[in-house]
Amino acid sequence: GQQLNQSPQSMFIQEGEDVSMNCTSSSIFNTWLWYKQDPGEGPVLLIALYKAGELTSNGRLTAQFGITRKDSFLNISASIPSDVGIYFCAGPSGAGSYQLTFGKGTKLSVIP
Amino acid sequence: DTAVSQTPKYLVTQMGNDKSIKCEQNLGHDTMYWYKQDSKKFLKIMFSYNNKELIINETVPNRFSPKSPDKAHLNLHINSLELGDSAVYFCASSHRLGSGNTIYFGEGSWLTVV
Repeated sequence: GQQLNQSPQSMFIQEGEDVSMNCTSSSIFNTWLWYKQDPGEGPVLLIALYKAGELTSNGRLTAQFGITRKDSFLNISASIPSDVGIYFCAGPSGAGSYQLTFGKGTKLSVIP
Repeated sequence: DTAVSQTPKYLVTQMGNDKSIKCEQNLGHDTMYWYKQDSKKFLKIMFSYNNKELIINETVPNRFSPKSPDKAHLNLHINSLELGDSAVYFCASSHRLGSGNTIYFGEGSWLTVV
């Protein structure tokens, strides 16, 4: 099946720094989704991208849908302690697009 | 109100027992899912139901049996629990993916088999 390669696997940054993480696929995705999972909670949707080249912001978060439709990145500017968590990229896959394939996640730690 | 709610949130049980996790969504979605998250935080789909009909059944042991009494509910029953079943199980729902809609997750059910 389709796989998403997400990097980096984990990051330790100082509060106030900017963060960048990305996701690549060997096959084309028509939608890219970015989720955040806080400790002890379920994943929550941050940003959804539907068109190649699309650049979308949500507060301090910015995500882009790669032109080749095989990659996406997520940037977080001026990180704060509550940004801590695991960030997942995901995209619909499988027959009928009823299935989401997830990357393995980027674990973000913010040092105050 | 919680959009996707699942119970129980925490479950500790002995090997060999049978247990169920319940899920309900009040978003009016027609598709519901069960995902499993292992100790390495990898999210993997187990089942998907659309309008009460099973449409995705990944390679999951027969001991796992989903049941959807209606569009708003998807329960997961697990027979003869094994140590390796310990994980976090997430229920989720959506309209049909790929049509501009996205998937919404419940808060998870932490299953520990001892």
